[in-house]
Amino acid sequence: QSALTQPASVSGSPGQSITISCTGTSSDVGGYNYISWYQQHPGKAPKLIIYDVNNRPSGLSDRFSGSKSGYTASLTISGLQAEDEADYYCDSFTTSNTHVFGSGTKVTVL
Amino acid sequence: EVQLVQSGAEVKKPGESLKILCKASGYGFSTYWIGWVRQIPGKGLEWMGVIYPSDSDTRYSPSFQDQVTISADRSINTAYLQWSSLRASDTAVYYCARRGAIGSSTSFDYWGPGTPVTVSS
Repeated sequence: QSALTQPASVSGSPGQSITISCTGTSSDVGGYNYISWYQQHPGKAPKLIIYDVNNRPSGLSDRFSGSKSGYTASLTISGLQAEDEADYYCDSFTTSNTHVFGSGTKVTVL
Repeated sequence: EVQLVQSGAEVKKPGESLKILCKASGYGFSTYWIGWVRQIPGKGLEWMGVIYPSDSDTRYSPSFQDQVTISADRSINTAYLQWSSLRASDTAVYYCARRGAIGSSTSFDYWGPGTPVTVSS
């Protein structure tokens, strides 16, 4: 069960929009609409920011949005802010009630 | 308020055994899956496995099957992750996380602070 493929790094200037991709297979991303995204700041536990492909937990900023097409899920951060600088991981539910995480993307705000 | 409290940092020698815990509060422990996630220093998140405390149904990532044991004690709202013989490559931070209370119940909505484990001779 290999990690889902994410770009190692993505950067953008304040106010810009960035998109992080997450590519898998028919056994995970392509087979289920159960994609989650997590934000992790250094030294902190991950935080859920998107669930079921494109839903935000209550109280989370609407600058975060998700989508999926085929075997690739995407996270878009619009109106980039300094506080968005963090690592981001996708997570897909897979066969047999298991999960697989993405390889992680470091977002840098220029 | 949902809380997951994890045991403190551990320093062990190769070959030693270890059992770390995740104590839940603020919700019905038995009816939500609890998962464990490894993060090696400077690396990404790795999903290890989940357990359903109500009936102890446990699922493991193929990468961790036979390497660790996940268990739970409903009477004290606590999940465990244990090793019978640690290796230096087990050095990492281990997070527990609750799965599901929103949507399809397949996302990890609450996370513990992590337990750092160092294995060194």
